[in-house]
Amino acid sequence: GAGVSQSPSNKVTEKGKDVELRCDPISGHTALYWYRQSLGQGLEFLIYFQGNSAPDKSGLPSDRFSAERTGGSVSTLTIQRTQQEDSAVYLCASSLIGMGQGNSPLHFGNGTRLTVT
Amino acid sequence: AQSVAQPEDQVNVAEGNPLTVKCTYSVSGNPYLFWYVQYPNRGLQFLLKYITGDNLVKGSYGFEAEFNKSQTSFHLKKPSALVSDSALYFCAVREARNAGNMLTFGGGTRLMVKP
Repeated sequence: GAGVSQSPSNKVTEKGKDVELRCDPISGHTALYWYRQSLGQGLEFLIYFQGNSAPDKSGLPSDRFSAERTGGSVSTLTIQRTQQEDSAVYLCASSLIGMGQGNSPLHFGNGTRLTVT
Repeated sequence: AQSVAQPEDQVNVAEGNPLTVKCTYSVSGNPYLFWYVQYPNRGLQFLLKYITGDNLVKGSYGFEAEFNKSQTSFHLKKPSALVSDSALYFCAVREARNAGNMLTFGGGTRLMVKP
């Protein structure tokens, strides 16, 4: 079956431009996460969507970052006025979460490599 | 609050030798624990999880992990390392009683297996 799909796989943009990164989660997965990974480094949590609950935005590094999840499925991460320090791999993951399903693992996409020049 | 610590940035081991990648965690209640692996230029892949029951959990590619509640640890192990096991490994935790709680990852440990 289809896994988590992210697009584009690579994005090069000029400093100051806005970018949109897309994530298509696995069908039926109610939880969706965005993480950021700098080259060879750990995962930095950005934002978490769970069903119809208000998203957990505690990881967003600045107000230039925002994310939406429309219809409980596709999610878009938007970075406004990009800076060079935004360069990283942005990973999306989804999981099947519900009562008694908190042990379900995350399924990750292959990420979007963002380079800000 | 929940947290995960992976105290080693890198682990070096010779092919054929046993390997251990360390992980300790902190949660308010019982944990759900996970290990993920990231091969170069790839997304993270699920390896194994501990939910309840036997403390020794077996997963993909011959890996296993041992849950130790008293030491709040969940170290990843393999009896005989392969060069192809070289990758970045992440430990993660979620508090069991809150199914909707987000997953928290450790900082990752790079495993280098030398021929």
